[in-house]
Amino acid sequence: KQEVTQIPAALSVPEGENLVLNCSFTDSAIYNLQWFRQDPGKGLTSLLLIQSSQREQTSGRLNASLDKSSGRSTLYIAASQPGDSATYLCAVPLTGANNLFFGTGTRLTVIP
Amino acid sequence: DTAVSQTPKYLVTQMGNDKSIKCEQNLGHDTMYWYKQDSKKFLKIMFSYNNKELIINETVPNRFSPKSPDKAHLNLHINSLELGDSAVYFCASSQMTDKAFFGQGTRLTVV
Repeated sequence: KQEVTQIPAALSVPEGENLVLNCSFTDSAIYNLQWFRQDPGKGLTSLLLIQSSQREQTSGRLNASLDKSSGRSTLYIAASQPGDSATYLCAVPLTGANNLFFGTGTRLTVIP
Repeated sequence: DTAVSQTPKYLVTQMGNDKSIKCEQNLGHDTMYWYKQDSKKFLKIMFSYNNKELIINETVPNRFSPKSPDKAHLNLHINSLELGDSAVYFCASSQMTDKAFFGQGTRLTVV
């Protein structure tokens, strides 16, 4: 049974710092992993999708890595800004389907 | 032009009522989904549907049923609403295993 855990549950950093969010999953038979952000009272926005054959993906100040064998992914945010404050969620497809299994999320606060 | 839109945004209703939440996507995606986010903010898949297959999460009560009039719409019908159904419901869509796009959510409150 797949379990997805995100550490830390909450993180507060001053503006400008680089930071890393962690995601671990128990079943490594995944074909991709997605990172999302959720703003309060809003829907989810897909940030990055990493295919199982890839090691990392980059979009602007965001870089996500994937290590299937160890069941881990990280989301690196460079030069954090107050606008990055949100909850970040990782998700993996359930075996044999594209239904996403979400992690518990990391609530990020970037202090001006 | 919203990619995935769902209505209503807020829904307050009494126990025992039947209600529907509508979802439409204009992305041409082949698969649509419904997710439930509970009070602890945990997101859980309820259904996924394309024109060939409906996959139901086994934990979803049969009071919940998805209805798809066409490829661009997947509505959620809920019968005999219970207090525990209060949550935020998200519609989403994707093309195969590509990125998923989510709607803004419908906050359902059962009183």
